[in-house]
Amino acid sequence: DVKVTQSSRYLVKRTGEKVFLECVQDMDHENMFWYRQDPGLGLRLIYFSYDVKMKEKGDIPEGYSVSREKKERFSLILESASTNQTSMYLCASSLRLAGIYEQYFGPGTRLTVT
Amino acid sequence: DAKTTQPNSMESNEEEPVHLPCNHSTISGTDYIHWYRQLPSQGPEYVIHGLTSNVNNRMASLAIAEDRKSSTLILHRATLRDAAVYYCILRDNTNAGKSTFGDGTTLTVKP
Repeated sequence: DVKVTQSSRYLVKRTGEKVFLECVQDMDHENMFWYRQDPGLGLRLIYFSYDVKMKEKGDIPEGYSVSREKKERFSLILESASTNQTSMYLCASSLRLAGIYEQYFGPGTRLTVT
Repeated sequence: DAKTTQPNSMESNEEEPVHLPCNHSTISGTDYIHWYRQLPSQGPEYVIHGLTSNVNNRMASLAIAEDRKSSTLILHRATLRDAAVYYCILRDNTNAGKSTFGDGTTLTVKP
């Protein structure tokens, strides 16, 4: 069974803290993605990575950075958390050819910044 | 990016077929049509995808219009577990899955 796991289901952080969200996939996928999901805005792509140490900005990268040191792990970093980053964060992975292959999603991390 | 348009919500009775429509009038020749669904408190899960021909799998069927400007996801016998948000998105092999999920269609299944 394919699996994408995220380090936490729920997280509460204070404004200004540095926050790490971890994602691990066990399918040897090249592509990994971070999205955030907000009511009325759908899922919006923050960053994606198509290979180790490679990354590209998605639609809303401001306030976020990412790290991919190993193929199976993709981390999302909030350098200085703010209340407008309170959201559901979803990680996904896929094989390289995004048109042909499906994405597999993790269960999500609900982050609250107070 | 080519966009998709879906109804905000639909209702179905249990054990009846459900047809979920999606319009994508600006689809390009290299775009695949993907459908995902998101059950409550879970991440989205893949349902089905196609390019030009109709597709069937164990979860659903995908009917693609001849001009490819619209498609329909068909659940042959809706169950209560099919209640979810259904997303229709377009992907090609050059965008590494960058296409954004919209708000999708919220399907309610009544017993």
